[in-house]
Amino acid sequence: DSGVTQTPKHLITATGQRVTLRCSPRSGDLSVYWYQQSLDQGLQFLIQYYNGEERAKGNILERFSAQQFPDLHSELNLSSLELGDSALYFCASSVYGGGGETQYFGPGTRLLVL
Amino acid sequence: AQSVTQPDIHITVSEGASLELRCNYSYGATPYLFWYVQSPGQGLQLLLKYFSGDTLVQGIKGFEAEFKRSQSSFNLRKPSVHWSDAAEYFCAVGASGTGNQFYFGTGTSLTVIP
Repeated sequence: DSGVTQTPKHLITATGQRVTLRCSPRSGDLSVYWYQQSLDQGLQFLIQYYNGEERAKGNILERFSAQQFPDLHSELNLSSLELGDSALYFCASSVYGGGGETQYFGPGTRLLVL
Repeated sequence: AQSVTQPDIHITVSEGASLELRCNYSYGATPYLFWYVQSPGQGLQLLLKYFSGDTLVQGIKGFEAEFKRSQSSFNLRKPSVHWSDAAEYFCAVGASGTGNQFYFGTGTSLTVIP
């Protein structure tokens, strides 16, 4: 158990809908990361937050957005969902979010878009 | 740009045999390198990491990896594989600079034959 929690564990929804994925980092970690794991794209970095501020951005679609709240939990919002958004979404956390820090991963949220 | 290549999509070994999983990276500076393992339905667990110093690093579960700058490689090894090692293994390179995003390889799936 890494100490990173993600809810929900599974999510089934329809195309065009909007969903919110939630992540709580390890106690003491200030930085959170979101990754998407799909069969065709592999593990792709989406976005990183540090203490509420966006720190780095990867291949995140404009339909997706994220934020980190004052209590340090983070939410990833996915809107206008398409079939291709079906994937496993991981949250990770680290202490300060600096280069080379180890990231600790949550169990993931499996999203199925029908 | 940073990238990671794991040439072997799938490897099958007998229990008790030795194991080597290959990882090649592309990165301009001294990289931060990681190996993670993902069991079915689970998140990613850190096996080991390389930042600097000794090029042979020891990890959990009896794994080790060797950093070879001249070959841009960071291969994972284990002298004697156990059935419980069956899983997906991911090599990652961490970015330096403002963010700490990881770039993952496509993974190597390990099957262990009793």
